Amino acid sequence: EAQVTQNPRYLITVTGKKLTVTCSQNMNHEYMSWYRQDPGLGLRQIYYSMNVEVTDKGDVPEGYKVSRKEKRNFPLILESPSPNQTSLYFCASSRGTGGSYNEQFFGPGTRLTVL
Amino acid sequence: QQPVQSPQAVILREGEDAVINCSSSKALYSVHWYRQKHGEAPVFLMILLKGGEQKGHEKISASFNEKKQQSSLYLTASQLSYSGTYFCGTLGGSNYKLTFGKGTLLTVNP
Repeated sequence: EAQVTQNPRYLITVTGKKLTVTCSQNMNHEYMSWYRQDPGLGLRQIYYSMNVEVTDKGDVPEGYKVSRKEKRNFPLILESPSPNQTSLYFCASSRGTGGSYNEQFFGPGTRLTVL
Repeated sequence: QQPVQSPQAVILREGEDAVINCSSSKALYSVHWYRQKHGEAPVFLMILLKGGEQKGHEKISASFNEKKQQSSLYLTASQLSYSGTYFCGTLGGSNYKLTFGKGTLLTVNP
């Protein structure tokens, strides 16, 4: 089944404790992206990747890191999480470069709470 | 800069029509529409490209006015399954940043 998977689905952590949210897709998509969703603010892009080893900042990249060493994986790293990073996070992927003209497939989401 | 969606929320009875608008302050290459049901991930509906090409579902239509940098999503003869939050995403310029609006909550009642 074609899908985007994220792990963990739920995470409660404390301020400053480094964490990684994994994202994997099995559709051989070039483009992958991370979004955060907060009430009343919609979906905001954190980082995106047009292909292996090619990443760029979205609209809200502060406090996050990403890497794209393999085509299928695009982990989101929070080196020192803070309470304002409490949010619902979505990973998405699409075929083609940049996903400009293609639909994005979203993962199920990761609900992160930073205490 | 996030595109502006209107209305913020709309309540319909089954069978009624709705229009959701999306406007941007910058020149656009494409407009993307997604629907998100409560507790689920967003799901693709449609992409409208500069020049008039559309890719998406047959039962949902949309328009893209490039000059006005606006798009509208048309939901006709609404069904209960149409309920959810609708997001437009805009792509402009030479980068690949897809910027979503804050969403429009659509509720369809029996």
